[in-house]
Amino acid sequence: AQSVTQPDIHITVSEGASLELRCNYSYGATPYLFWYVQSPGQGLQLLLKYFSGDTLVQGIKGFEAEFKRSQSSFNLRKPSVHWSDAAEYFCAVGAGGTASKLTFGTGTRLQVTL
Amino acid sequence: GAVVSQHPSWVICKSGTSVKIECRSLDFQATTMFWYRQFPKQSLMLMATSNEGSKATYEQGVEKDKFLINHASLTLSTLTVTSAHPEDSSFYICSAEGQGARYEQYFGPGTRLTVT
Repeated sequence: AQSVTQPDIHITVSEGASLELRCNYSYGATPYLFWYVQSPGQGLQLLLKYFSGDTLVQGIKGFEAEFKRSQSSFNLRKPSVHWSDAAEYFCAVGAGGTASKLTFGTGTRLQVTL
Repeated sequence: GAVVSQHPSWVICKSGTSVKIECRSLDFQATTMFWYRQFPKQSLMLMATSNEGSKATYEQGVEKDKFLINHASLTLSTLTVTSAHPEDSSFYICSAEGQGARYEQYFGPGTRLTVT
C-alpha cells in the first residue's frame, strides 16, 4: 500500500523568504503525486500534480514541485512567500487503478511572519 | 473552476441520533464522489468512494452500516452518520470528480460534526 510522509508538522517563514515543504512517498510503481492547500473554511485546493514527464512541475500561486524518483520525494517550493500563503499543505499520492483514490500525508502547517 | 458545496458546515447532534451531510457539485456532473474524515491536526482518511447509481465502496475499517452513503444523482451525494456517538465527532470532507477526469477531484469545504 502507498503512504506519504510529511516530516515537518509546522514551518514558520518570513514573508518574502523562500519555502520548501518536504514530501516523501512510498509506492511500488510510478506514483501520481499531488500537493493541496487547505485554508480555514475552504475546501482543499489543488496546487499542482505530477503524473509523468517533466519532473519539475509548475502550479498555481507561484508554487512548483520536483519529483525525484531516487529519493522518493516530491517537495514543494516557492521562491518568495506571501502572508496569504499561510495555510495547511497536504501532499498526496494516487495509486492508479480503477479509482482515483488518494492517500494523504499528515500535512504541514505554514505560518508566515511579517 | 468547479465548485463543491457541503451542507451543513457545522452540526451538533445528540448521541444516538442520526445526521445527514450533503455534498453537491454545483457546476459539473460528478460521476464519482469521495468521503473523507479528518481528525484535528491529522490527515484526511478516505472513508468511501461512491459512484452515481451504485453502492459505495468502503475502505477497510469503515462501518458501512454506520456511515450510509447515497449517490443518487450526478450532483448530489449524502453521508448519513447513524446512531452517532461522541467518537464520531470529526471533520467530514467530500470531493467530487467529473466523468473522464480521473484525479481531478474538487473538494468541499467540510462539515464539522460534534456529537454530545
